[in-house]
Amino acid sequence: AAGVIQSPRHLIKEKRETATLKCYPIPRHDTVYWYQQGPGQDPQFLISFYEKMQSDKGSIPDRFSAQQFSDYHSELNMSSLELGDSALYFCASSLRTSGRDEQFFGPGTRLTVL
Amino acid sequence: QQQVKQSPQSLIVQKGGISIINCAYENTAFDYFPWYQQFPGKGPALLIAIRPDVSEKKEGRFTISFNKSAKQFSLHIMDSQPGDSATYFCAASITTGNTGKLIFGQGTTLQVKP
Repeated sequence: AAGVIQSPRHLIKEKRETATLKCYPIPRHDTVYWYQQGPGQDPQFLISFYEKMQSDKGSIPDRFSAQQFSDYHSELNMSSLELGDSALYFCASSLRTSGRDEQFFGPGTRLTVL
Repeated sequence: QQQVKQSPQSLIVQKGGISIINCAYENTAFDYFPWYQQFPGKGPALLIAIRPDVSEKKEGRFTISFNKSAKQFSLHIMDSQPGDSATYFCAASITTGNTGKLIFGQGTTLQVKP
């Protein structure tokens, strides 16, 4: 079965640079979530989209922005990167219109800020 | 403030034994409670989930027990195997807008000894 695809899998950036993370949800899933997981921490919700519209926002810095495109893929844009942004970033997708809440996570993008 | 509290932080079980992980929550608006398994460097994988109108759900070796009045739920892993060694996260979902973000517990590192 098709899973959530994330790219790139690893990304190394310098402080103050910009990064773009991409997420391709499971086909026909209408909802995308972004989570950030620091070392030894639990995943923290950043932002979600339903049918290409932003639905909810968590503790996402103003330096970060995200959108979901017409083909349902999503991108997380991170600017003015800081050392503390180093983390695993996960995208998850679900099919909300089915009434089911299962979120399926991608393999993640490991961002390292030097 | 951790909205979902998970214990223990780490757990060592002998092969064939029962692993038990507990979670507690405060917000009665939570309406969906999944458990995820995560291996190092990988994305969380959905194991099993329950809604508050059910007191127990079993899938294979995994059972969720849910106590709505106590606002607690637990994961039982029967016949634990070395391959079960991973970090387990409980989570709770709250619907905002059209999406249901997950709020995770702190995680439990399980080691199953051969």
